[in-house]
Amino acid sequence: NAGVMQNPRHLVRRRGQEARLRCSPMKGHSHVYWYRQLPEEGLKFMVYLQKENIIDESGMPKERFSAEFPKEGPSILRIQQVVRGDSAAYFCASSPQQDLTDEQYFGPGTRLTVT
Amino acid sequence: LAKTTQPISMDSYEGQEVNITCSHNNIATNDYITWYQQFPSQGPRFIIQGYKTKVTNEVASLFIPADRKSSTLSLPRVSLSDTAVYYCLVGTTNTGGFKTIFGAGTRLFVKA
Repeated sequence: NAGVMQNPRHLVRRRGQEARLRCSPMKGHSHVYWYRQLPEEGLKFMVYLQKENIIDESGMPKERFSAEFPKEGPSILRIQQVVRGDSAAYFCASSPQQDLTDEQYFGPGTRLTVT
Repeated sequence: LAKTTQPISMDSYEGQEVNITCSHNNIATNDYITWYQQFPSQGPRFIIQGYKTKVTNEVASLFIPADRKSSTLSLPRVSLSDTAVYYCLVGTTNTGGFKTIFGAGTRLFVKA
């Protein structure tokens, strides 16, 4: 059973471009979470999705950021018109169901650099 | 979601037992306590989870006193490879869904 997959692992974008980060959850997992981590800081929750539904996006910036988890295919975190402050590591996690007793499995992350 | 407080960093030597304490004074009745480990350039990895008293697995032990306002992660006989950031989280499901709140964590440095 493959773990959580994220791609690309590293992404470089110029200011103003769009960044698309992909996350394939573990097989059988229907819950996906996205987190952002700045250097030397802890992870910050961004959004929690189930298939075709956004459950909690309270951690998402109001503008330029969006996320989806379609019925088929990976979850996508999209950042439009990137700025230097968006440079960070973005981690995706998945779990089989909505329950604290089910651990979240994290992917290796995507490191976004905005030049 | 209950807020947690952990030491920013800790130092240890190989072979020693390391105890990292986390305070969570506002823990709710239904909250569980979960610890994650993160190595540089990697995603966090689940270590252990508990609700009360003591939980032990092949990696660590988790001690939770009766009032549940704190918890202690115990790593027996650490090695250099245990150098990492350790996060303590408390939470549970809620109507709107569950989200995990990570604080800054505790940076453990294991020396030879």
